[in-house]
Amino acid sequence: GAVVSQHPSWVICKSGTSVKIECRSLDFQATTMFWYRQFPKQSLMLMATSNEGSKATYEQGVEKDKFLINHASLTLSTLTVTSAHPEDSSFYICSASNFLLGYTFGSGTRLTVV
Amino acid sequence: AQKVTQAQTEISVVEKEDVTLDCVYETRDTTYYLFWYKQPPSGELVFLIRRNSFDEQNEISGRYSWNFQKSTSSFNFTITASQVVDSAVYFCALSEAWTTDSWGKFQFGAGTQVVVTP
Repeated sequence: GAVVSQHPSWVICKSGTSVKIECRSLDFQATTMFWYRQFPKQSLMLMATSNEGSKATYEQGVEKDKFLINHASLTLSTLTVTSAHPEDSSFYICSASNFLLGYTFGSGTRLTVV
Repeated sequence: AQKVTQAQTEISVVEKEDVTLDCVYETRDTTYYLFWYKQPPSGELVFLIRRNSFDEQNEISGRYSWNFQKSTSSFNFTITASQVVDSAVYFCALSEAWTTDSWGKFQFGAGTQVVVTP
């Protein structure tokens, strides 16, 4: 089946620094990737949708200048949390999809900002 | 707009008891998919089932079973003879868009924490 690799699985960073999370589809071309955020004991909320080669579409309330999404190739999307603050501490999970082949979730990244 | 409601925040059972998780959804689309995912403490989402809106047949997979009732917009999930390893958060999810850009886009419910004690 389709495999999506997400790295890192966890990261601790200092407040004010930036963190990059990678989402790679290993055995299929992901025309679309989705980024979700999950705060502790809450549900997964869609942050943004990215299509290869175009700008991401952000959900209402998600700061596009803070959460930079790049989908430069059909196998890689990155989410960069810029100037991270403790309130950005969360579980971030990506989903890679191909209309013909299906979709798969990454294993998630637990971000802790101290 | 689509919405998924899981009214049960947490369910605690003793091993071997059955547990049923409720899921009610709202959508304007006639074509949509419903899902159940398991999320253990490690965080990854474990796919359990996908059901399309035209298939109302109930499904059984081992100790898991699902009851899809379009008339009540419900897609309930039952774990029979629960085990400690079933302890996790379970999410019901809806995917309604059928464009290439939205394939794989989910609306998740709030999740139900299942605690199974020996």
